[in-house]
Amino acid sequence: GAGVSQSPSNKVTEKGKDVELRCDPISGHTALYWYRQSLGQGLEFLIYFQGNSAPDKSGLPSDRFSAERTGGSVSTLTIQRTQQEDSAVYLCASSLVRPGQGVDTIYFGEGSWLTVV
Amino acid sequence: KNQVEQSPQSLIILEGKNCTLQCNYTVSPFSNLRWYKQDTGRGPVSLTIMTFSENTKSNGRYTATLDADTKQSSLHITASQLSDSASYICVVSAGFSGGYNKLIFGAGTRLAVHP
Repeated sequence: GAGVSQSPSNKVTEKGKDVELRCDPISGHTALYWYRQSLGQGLEFLIYFQGNSAPDKSGLPSDRFSAERTGGSVSTLTIQRTQQEDSAVYLCASSLVRPGQGVDTIYFGEGSWLTVV
Repeated sequence: KNQVEQSPQSLIILEGKNCTLQCNYTVSPFSNLRWYKQDTGRGPVSLTIMTFSENTKSNGRYTATLDADTKQSSLHITASQLSDSASYICVVSAGFSGGYNKLIFGAGTRLAVHP
């Protein structure tokens, strides 16, 4: 597809279970971002991947959250032992970062809606 | 502390009217400023991107302005349509070396256009 693809689009899980959210960035995009958006709130930065560089994990709220990006493309955000406060929309975005060659548009996926009951 | 503040928090206007949304920021070092439109239940969609040297940029009925001296930006919507009802998010990039720009998000302005 032409855009950022996320799956599942909706996930309801029981408290204490683990969940995996997947992001397929736009082909060729080197930068990949994960954000979280609670109902009616702004976007909260979670993690950033850029090429082969070490990811910026400074936004991950706890050690229950982890993310990886395999082969510089698909990324998976994993939440272990989910809590009710983890309920939110998890948004993935990607862009083509070309240092020194201007600013590139960041494209967002439609998000994965997570509800922890 | 890097912050982006938007006003008003919410706004209701009649179809066909114009409106202006405000964004004030304290981000350093400043790299660029972006406006996004987010429909309910959807991901944000880019409207404009402006760097330090750009004062205005248009995208159809949307016109963004940037005053880097006062650290203010505005998004003007002309001849509003019902489909403009959405959240409008101001995003400022803090510039770092190597091409990585940390994005600082505003909380957004929720616009409702009524017939």
